[in-house]
Amino acid sequence: AQKVTQAQTEISVVEKEDVTLDCVYETRDTTYYLFWYKQPPSGELVFLIRRNSFDEQNEISGRYSWNFQKSTSSFNFTITASQVVDSAVYFCALSEDLLTGGGNKLTFGTGTQLKVEL
Amino acid sequence: KAGVTQTPRYLIKTRGQQVTLSCSPISGHRSVSWYQQTPGQGLQFLFEYFSETQRNKGNFPGRFSGRQFSNSRSEMNVSTLELGDSALYLCASSLVQVGNEQYFGPGTRLTVT
Repeated sequence: AQKVTQAQTEISVVEKEDVTLDCVYETRDTTYYLFWYKQPPSGELVFLIRRNSFDEQNEISGRYSWNFQKSTSSFNFTITASQVVDSAVYFCALSEDLLTGGGNKLTFGTGTQLKVEL
Repeated sequence: KAGVTQTPRYLIKTRGQQVTLSCSPISGHRSVSWYQQTPGQGLQFLFEYFSETQRNKGNFPGRFSGRQFSNSRSEMNVSTLELGDSALYLCASSLVQVGNEQYFGPGTRLTVT
């Protein structure tokens, strides 16, 4: 069965610090998809990134970067020079191949609450 | 493009009642999924609909049901409400292909008293 673990429940940093959010996943599929979502206090989940299992290239988007390592089943998310507006709960999620019960079903981690203070 | 919309945004119901929540996906998105979010259980998948058919289902009792219409709009229904059904119900839409990113609506906050 698929599983996503976000061991960090809450992280507090001071503005301009770099912060890394960890995500470890479990799956028996060779084809799968990984995602990160942001949930600000308003409650709406905001899509950040999608990665398929065949693409291990790291990605950078502005202050955000993602490190995907199949060897350690990890998909970590780094925010560089954090800002107060980055304060939110961040979720890592996994979906598997439709034939093995996946499709667009997302299995979420428990989330990491990030607090960025001045 | 307009995002995913959900109605109503807030709802208060009494135990034993039933409730229907509505979701309108992003234009062109034909897959609609529903999730329940609670402090204790986190985000859990309820079901996914595509072309008016349930394509996938999570581990929830039969009191939870859904449907999708020909215009891709979806509804979910919870019958015989229990206190534990109090939650944020999130709808997400995506393109048909498996593994596509899902875009979420603002959710419906259901409180059962």
